[in-house]
Amino acid sequence: AQKITQTQPGMFVQEKEAVTLDCTYDTSDPSYGLFWYKQPSSGEMIFLIYQGSYDQQNATEGRYSLNFQKARKSANLVISASQLGDSAMYFCAMRDHNAGGTSYGKLTFGQGTILTVHP
Amino acid sequence: EAQVTQNPRYLITVTGKKLTVTCSQNMNHEYMSWYRQDPGLGLRQIYYSMNVEVTDKGDVPEGYKVSRKEKRNFPLILESPSPNQTSLYFCASSFVGGGGEQFFGPGTRLTVL
Repeated sequence: AQKITQTQPGMFVQEKEAVTLDCTYDTSDPSYGLFWYKQPSSGEMIFLIYQGSYDQQNATEGRYSLNFQKARKSANLVISASQLGDSAMYFCAMRDHNAGGTSYGKLTFGQGTILTVHP
Repeated sequence: EAQVTQNPRYLITVTGKKLTVTCSQNMNHEYMSWYRQDPGLGLRQIYYSMNVEVTDKGDVPEGYKVSRKEKRNFPLILESPSPNQTSLYFCASSFVGGGGEQFFGPGTRLTVL
């Protein structure tokens, strides 16, 4: 079974500084994808970044980068130059890409980390 | 505009009164899923569908039903709602396989009294 663990219930960061949100995962599948979503106070789920298990390079999307360490089964999100608008709940999620497996396509979420950006 | 829509956005109901939350996507996605979000628990999958007429249970299916008669629609049915089903519900869709992100609907906040 897949499992995602986010050990930081809350994080604080000063505006313009970088912050790392931790995510570890557990799976026995060789092919999977890792996602980060942002949920602002308005409630919608916003896709931020994706990393495939076979991708050689860490994914980057603007100010977001994913620090993927496969051997340690970690997929930490790094937000550079934090902005006040980054204050939100952040979810790490994993998807099974093993076609034919019992959990194919299922997205499993962690408990989330609330990020607060201080001016 | 590519989107997932859910209705209603907010609903207050009473125990035992059957209700349906609709979900529709216009991106021709094969995969659709329902999640519930509760404080401290993240999002948990209720049911999912790999394609028309193909549905399967997620992690917390008790008390819920779904159907997938058309590719674009995936309604969530609560036959006899109970207070422990008070939650924020999300519908999501994506293509099957690869790194396609799941697109989420705006959420439905359900309160069962």
